[in-house]
Amino acid sequence: SQQGEEDPQALSIQEGENATMNCSYKTSINNLQWYRQNSGRGLVHLILIRSNEREKHSGRLRVTLDTSKKSSSLLITASRAADTASYFCATDAYSNYQLIWGAGTKLIIKP
Amino acid sequence: DGGITQSPKYLFRKEGQNVTLSCEQNLNHDAMYWYRQDPGQGLRLIYYSQIVNDFQKGDIAEGYSVSREKKESFPLTVTSAQKNPTAFYLCASTLGTGELFFGEGSRLTVL
Repeated sequence: SQQGEEDPQALSIQEGENATMNCSYKTSINNLQWYRQNSGRGLVHLILIRSNEREKHSGRLRVTLDTSKKSSSLLITASRAADTASYFCATDAYSNYQLIWGAGTKLIIKP
Repeated sequence: DGGITQSPKYLFRKEGQNVTLSCEQNLNHDAMYWYRQDPGQGLRLIYYSQIVNDFQKGDIAEGYSVSREKKESFPLTVTSAQKNPTAFYLCASTLGTGELFFGEGSRLTVL
């Protein structure tokens, strides 16, 4: 049961540009999270945004949440080669112990 | 350093064999998870455990088994009943606040 859907599936931009990826979900949530996965590695937590929050920042990351549209976006500003990775959103539609994952956006930063 | 250790990183299995993937954490987290990841897809939950000696099936538990005899350890056995076991397996843990901490994964290939 896949709740989140990321868009686009793949994104290729020049280093220094901003990257935006989106996540849509189907049911009500308490929070939404974004994770990064480098090729062949485990996932790393980036940011968690609660349903009563509209925007959250962490370094070069900016996450927005629109519960009326059931969507979230992740903006990475001033991209770097090290940002090349897949990015996943996850929601807690069932419970805080079970997350529902999207298929991810593959981001490639060209030098 | 605290973290989650998965082993082995790569594993090859002949058809009909059972194999066990190890997952150990020293984060003192109560909840632990096993996910399966196939190319270009999100994470699918196999099993999760909220406390010692208790675990629940996830979305794709058929052909897998787990145990949780110690808080630190949550091994996953891929049995011969799992017809398509070639995948990337990820172990994770959480305090229950939502954020998951992942291991580096184990890649299983059926020969």
